[in-house]
Amino acid sequence: GENVEQHPSTLSVQEGDSAVIKCTYSDSASNYFPWYKQELGKGPQLIIDIRSNVGEKKDQRIAVTLNKTAKHFSLHITETQPEDSAVYFCAARVETSYDKVIFGPGTSLSVIP
Amino acid sequence: GAVVSQHPSWVICKSGTSVKIECRSLDFQATTMFWYRQFPKQSLMLMATSNEGSKATYEQGVEKDKFLINHASLTLSTLTVTSAHPEDSSFYICSAQAGGHNEQFFGPGTRLTVL
Repeated sequence: GENVEQHPSTLSVQEGDSAVIKCTYSDSASNYFPWYKQELGKGPQLIIDIRSNVGEKKDQRIAVTLNKTAKHFSLHITETQPEDSAVYFCAARVETSYDKVIFGPGTSLSVIP
Repeated sequence: GAVVSQHPSWVICKSGTSVKIECRSLDFQATTMFWYRQFPKQSLMLMATSNEGSKATYEQGVEKDKFLINHASLTLSTLTVTSAHPEDSSFYICSAQAGGHNEQFFGPGTRLTVL
């Protein structure tokens, strides 16, 4: 089955700096890659996603890149703010009849004011 | 975006009792709902996938007789933890999807504590 790895597990940045989180996946059949932000005690919220027919996608301060050949995808957050502090999960979806999402282990991001 | 609710948001129960958690899609019809379990400082682990009107598909290692899932309507799925034990204490999260290949919307989670 699909396996998603994520690095780093923890990341601290100064406010205003950029943060980069990297993920790899194993199943070449995966073609949808969402990123979620989870605040303490809450459910995950989708912040951006990318499909395998696109190499890069940007939404204001957040961007995601995908290298389908290498099975790598990354999240880039620019001009970080304290409210960006949370746990971020990358995920991959295998296009089966059930469309289940497999999550990476998560990255705890701390933005230091 | 679409809204998914869960009830209760937290529950404390005694060992050996059963607990039911509800997941509702408030403004869309969810043909598929997913149940996840998340232990502290860990990722979300998929427990089962349920399609409206059919039996749930459980992930390997998840006991279907212990975690009963019912998806009786397009807006409601329930997870019942039967004969709960302290090791079942966790954060249970559902997600709902309208049709295939669409975004999954996650609920706020339910914190279960078994004494």
